[in-house]
Amino acid sequence: NAGVTQTPKFQVLKTGQSMTLQCAQDMNHEYMSWYRQDPGMGLRLIHYSVGAGITDQGEVPNGYNVSRSTTEDFPLRLLSAAPSQTSVYFCASSPNRGTGELFFGEGSRLTVL
Amino acid sequence: AQKVTQAQTEISVVEKEDVTLDCVYETRDTTYYLFWYKQPPSGELVFLIRRNSFDEQNEISGRYSWNFQKSTSSFNFTITASQVVDSAVYFCALRNSNSGYALNFGKGTSLLVTP
Repeated sequence: NAGVTQTPKFQVLKTGQSMTLQCAQDMNHEYMSWYRQDPGMGLRLIHYSVGAGITDQGEVPNGYNVSRSTTEDFPLRLLSAAPSQTSVYFCASSPNRGTGELFFGEGSRLTVL
Repeated sequence: AQKVTQAQTEISVVEKEDVTLDCVYETRDTTYYLFWYKQPPSGELVFLIRRNSFDEQNEISGRYSWNFQKSTSSFNFTITASQVVDSAVYFCALRNSNSGYALNFGKGTSLLVTP
């Protein structure tokens, strides 16, 4: 019963470094998405995917890239980390778009110095 | 525009008190879904309820109840006889038809229940 698995759980980067947050789900969900959570801001959508090979931007996409080569995996890439990207990142998946219930990973806490 | 407003940033109650968390939403969709999620201090996001726009019946699950009123665009959440374990941040969310059906979250209400 793995569900949605995110790695790493914690990461510290220096400004300008790049890294990839991994997200994998074993529920054969079509829909996957990445959110960031900042104090007092709730969760904001970064990127989403409605199926393998299809991705699109959410509310705050700048500085992030995604790809969806398989149904299971949806990695989030930070191209050149900035202190403004210090946040908690959540990956989520959903079995279909109809009901929209999201299943979340445990989150990844990223600090950019 | 799709928007969710949780006007209460923080609420503090004493154990056994009832507490209501407010949620007001905006949408132009005629079919939409509303959600509540709980985020305890451990940080994970726990799904509590989903309600579609055609079902205005109130729902009760143990000490939790939800009041959905389309006339006021509200989807309020009440905890009866609160307990310390209810301390968490609670998020209301609206399924957003403009972003691949992503959820549009409110900013959350932090509930503290003290003994």
